Amino acid sequence: ETGVTQTPRHLVMGMTNKKSLKCEQHLGHNAMYWYKQSAKKPLELMFVYSLEERVENNSVPSRFSPECPNSSHLFLHLHTLQPEDSALYLCASSRDSGDLASTDTQYFGPGTRLTVL
Amino acid sequence: KNQVEQSPQSLIILEGKNCTLQCNYTVSPFSNLRWYKQDTGRGPVSLTIMTFSENTKSNGRYTATLDADTKQSSLHITASQLSDSASYICVVSAGNNNDMRFGAGTRLTVKP
Repeated sequence: ETGVTQTPRHLVMGMTNKKSLKCEQHLGHNAMYWYKQSAKKPLELMFVYSLEERVENNSVPSRFSPECPNSSHLFLHLHTLQPEDSALYLCASSRDSGDLASTDTQYFGPGTRLTVL
Repeated sequence: KNQVEQSPQSLIILEGKNCTLQCNYTVSPFSNLRWYKQDTGRGPVSLTIMTFSENTKSNGRYTATLDADTKQSSLHITASQLSDSASYICVVSAGNNNDMRFGAGTRLTVKP
């Protein structure tokens, strides 16, 4: 285990539903990340949080809303999603600042497999 | 546009054999390059991280090389094991702190 847990592991939702993905890290890290991994596409970085402040938002649609209440927890709130949003959503954490240019190792959770009907 | 291209897309080898995976990038300015291993149904696990000044880095049977002049990296796997079957992902970070690009990965299958 990497020390990063994600719940739920699988989620099926309709386009009108509202749901949240949860990530928790037990490593004492300061930075947390959300990634999207679609079938047969490269990983896409969605959001970066450093010490609970958002430092990166890669042009993600507003139907995805992140929340970082403390340095150990990260949420991704979902509403009015589209079928093309079906993907594996991965959370990661790293020790330092969330600087993408640093050599800090990122530790990934197992992901939440999301299906939007 | 900053791109990361990996080849081959997929690879099948016999247990015990060696293999080399390639990563070419156009990300600029370059900051670092990472190789990850991702087992099916799991998150990626970091194998190596290299900066501009590093040419090679090893992690057990995995050896990564970097040629910053030609913007190429390779991941060499020695004496492959069945557990090496996974996707291997190359990730390049830009030095301006606002870009991290992922390759599409190479799917490696090791057969007995």
